[in-house]
Amino acid sequence: GIQVEQSPPDLILQEGANSTLRCNFSDSVNNLQWFHQNPWGQLINLFYIPSGTKQNGRLSATTVATERYSLLYISSSQTTDSGVYFCAVALYNQGGKLIFGQGTELSVKP
Amino acid sequence: DAGVTQSPTHLIKTRGQQVTLRCSPKSGHDTVSWYQQALGQGPQFIFQYYEEEERQRGNFPDRFSGHQFPNYSSELNVNALLLGDSALYLCASSFSTGGEQYFGPGTRLTVT
Repeated sequence: GIQVEQSPPDLILQEGANSTLRCNFSDSVNNLQWFHQNPWGQLINLFYIPSGTKQNGRLSATTVATERYSLLYISSSQTTDSGVYFCAVALYNQGGKLIFGQGTELSVKP
Repeated sequence: DAGVTQSPTHLIKTRGQQVTLRCSPKSGHDTVSWYQQALGQGPQFIFQYYEEEERQRGNFPDRFSGHQFPNYSSELNVNALLLGDSALYLCASSFSTGGEQYFGPGTRLTVT
């Protein structure tokens, strides 16, 4: 089956620093989403980005579908950015089944 | 615009018991998917419901079953609970034509 690999697994930043999270996937996908999971377990939608580039405030994401990877950029990080970031993909022939990576745990220190 | 809601928030059950979790989709969505998230792992797909039928299923035993109602809400049932069923159970909703999935706050199940 498809493999979804996220890197790095853990990241510690000082407040104000920038970071890049990576998601590699092993097959063609028709859905790619980035989520932030808060300490209470809620998955918060960040981007729906099967291809191209999107920006939302301090966050932006780029998916290069032909090369099977996606990047999430966090600029001027804040302590509230702490948590686990997940990438999830869905295959063309498997409907809406999302396959998640193992996540990147981000800790932003004041 | 109401988002995805789930109940209950927390649940403690004993091995061998049965449990029912509930989910109401985001307004306008007609498809509901269920995921299990063990501690320290990414969510794993259990199954998806559309038009009151199971459309897709992940690698979970038959002890896990579900139902979708005419108003698109859904239930997840787990029979003969095992300690390993302790996890966060997440419900997601979407349009049947695909696109972005939105998740509820989850139900944290503890099996003792």
